[in-house]
Amino acid sequence: AQSVAQPEDQVNVAEGNPLTVKCTYSVSGNPYLFWYVQYPNRGLQFLLKYITGDNLVKGSYGFEAEFNKSQTSFHLKKPSALVSDSALYFCAVRRNTGNQFYFGTGTSLTVIP
Amino acid sequence: KAGVTQTPRYLIKTRGQQVTLSCSPISGHRSVSWYQQTPGQGLQFLFEYFSETQRNKGNFPGRFSGRQFSNSRSEMNVSTLELGDSALYLCASSLGLRQGRDEQYFGPGTRLTVT
Repeated sequence: AQSVAQPEDQVNVAEGNPLTVKCTYSVSGNPYLFWYVQYPNRGLQFLLKYITGDNLVKGSYGFEAEFNKSQTSFHLKKPSALVSDSALYFCAVRRNTGNQFYFGTGTSLTVIP
Repeated sequence: KAGVTQTPRYLIKTRGQQVTLSCSPISGHRSVSWYQQTPGQGLQFLFEYFSETQRNKGNFPGRFSGRQFSNSRSEMNVSTLELGDSALYLCASSLGLRQGRDEQYFGPGTRLTVT
């Protein structure tokens, strides 16, 4: 079965500090990996995706994510957090042979001024 | 290019009633997926439609159904509403490429409250 795990429900970080939001996955075959962000009362917004190639993927708003095949992880990172980054973050995976997305349960990020 | 739109944005229904939610995808997108979002459960996949055909289905009871029209617009129906159906229902559209490389674009959601 395909699944995505976000082990932390809540992450707090001080403004200006680096942030990491963790994601691990379990999927057969080669995965396509995605990060989405959700602001209050809004739908999800696409941040970045990994398809193939360079393990470090750069996305919107200064975010990046590192794909690690041996650890089956796809952690979201940002060198310097902003208060406006406070939101709910979702990791998602899709098999390269399928069309269905599998989402994690989300991690609430709070950036403290 | 206009984004994904969902109507209505908010809905209050009573137990036993039925409800229909609507989703208009981004122009050119042929795949529409529906998700149920509840606190602590994350996004639960309901179903995906592509070119008017249901291509994938999640693990929800038969009370949840959907359809897609020739213009790619989609509707989701929930019959015999239960209190546990209260949630944010999200619609997402994508090109629907067979190899799944394309990302999904989400609408703002419909907040359904069942009393």
